[in-house]
Amino acid sequence: KNEVEQSPQNLTAQEGEFITINCSYSVGISALHWLQQHPGGGIVSLFMLSSGKKKHGRLIATINIQEKHSSLHITASHPRDSAVYICAVRPYTGNQFYFGTGTSLTVIP
Amino acid sequence: DVKVTQSSRYLVKRTGEKVFLECVQDMDHENMFWYRQDPGLGLRLIYFSYDVKMKEKGDIPEGYSVSREKKERFSLILESASTNQTSMYLCASSLGGPLHFGNGTRLTVT
Repeated sequence: KNEVEQSPQNLTAQEGEFITINCSYSVGISALHWLQQHPGGGIVSLFMLSSGKKKHGRLIATINIQEKHSSLHITASHPRDSAVYICAVRPYTGNQFYFGTGTSLTVIP
Repeated sequence: DVKVTQSSRYLVKRTGEKVFLECVQDMDHENMFWYRQDPGLGLRLIYFSYDVKMKEKGDIPEGYSVSREKKERFSLILESASTNQTSMYLCASSLGGPLHFGNGTRLTVT
């Protein structure tokens, strides 16, 4: 049983396209995280959300707590956005995180 | 800025060897985690620690142990390495907010 599901698993886009990655989860959470991992690189935290919407540059993350769903949007995508994007949730209880299996994004020039 | 440092980027070990993976964080975080990352399986929790000398098993603790003698250091130990432990190992720390990851150690067991 996977508490966090991401879609799509793989995504190829042309430079400049608007991109959406989705995350659904099945547990009550205190926060949801979007993470980014470049090939061969470490993982960096992009957003931490508990409600509403956050924006950083061309990246926007939204969350709907009632529907247990979050989306990560990338506007005007660029080849440097090519990476694996991972959704993670922190349940109300405990110190653990649950992770999606990631969305591999390739942006073609 | 939080820094999580893993001692080795790449390691090659032989089957049966005892392997130590070290992780140090510099921000006084209470929570530290060891994950392994395999293609198609995502991040899986091996062990975590919420305080010095405290540890809890994650989803896949078999074949691993951990040590946390000081708050900043969390070590992962493979008691007798096996080929199915070939993987990317990631350490992370948190103070209840965002997770901060090290750069990972790619371990190959031959």
